[in-house]
Amino acid sequence: AQSVTQPDIHITVSEGASLELRCNYSYGATPYLFWYVQSPGQGLQLLLKYFSGDTLVQGIKGFEAEFKRSQSSFNLRKPSVHWSDAAEYFCAVGAFSGGSYIPTFGRGTSLIVHP
Amino acid sequence: DAGVIQSPRHEVTEMGQEVTLRCKPISGHDYLFWYRQTMMRGLELLIYFNNNVPIDDSGMPEDRFSAKMPNASFSTLKIQPSEPRDSAVYFCASSLAYGEGTDTQYFGPGTRLTVL
Repeated sequence: AQSVTQPDIHITVSEGASLELRCNYSYGATPYLFWYVQSPGQGLQLLLKYFSGDTLVQGIKGFEAEFKRSQSSFNLRKPSVHWSDAAEYFCAVGAFSGGSYIPTFGRGTSLIVHP
Repeated sequence: DAGVIQSPRHEVTEMGQEVTLRCKPISGHDYLFWYRQTMMRGLELLIYFNNNVPIDDSGMPEDRFSAKMPNASFSTLKIQPSEPRDSAVYFCASSLAYGEGTDTQYFGPGTRLTVL
């Protein structure tokens, strides 16, 4: 069965600093990988996804992620963090089942942004 | 489109009571998912539907939980009887059919359930 590990429960950065959130996955086939963001009191919103092609994918809100098969990683990055980026970030790996990609989510990383 | 709509947004009930959570998916989406989010267990998939038919309910914790989708625009998640350990945020999500972007799920705002 697939699984996702997000090693960092909390990450604190200063506004304007760069950001990298770590994600490691376990999946027997070609992974379908996602990053979602959850703002307080809201549902999850897709930031970006990867299935094939260029291993560096661009997403919304200035985020990007790089797929590294050799490391089973899909880390999320942003060059300059804004205070509005403070949220919970979830990495997920999708397994195709019943006609849809069913994501298994990591436990999430809470991003705290200091002014 | 208004997005995925869930009601109520907050529910407080007493142990033993029946709780019904409601979801309206995005029009035209073929898949509907119910998730539960807790601090202890994170985000768990409970059940999902394709064209109103339950496909996988292996995540439903026990017989006290049931879900239905009587039509393409409405689904319910029912807990009967409710217990304090059911306290969580319950999310509904929907997505398109395979080949039309089935990979992206659109989440509702969630229902925060508190069972006293």
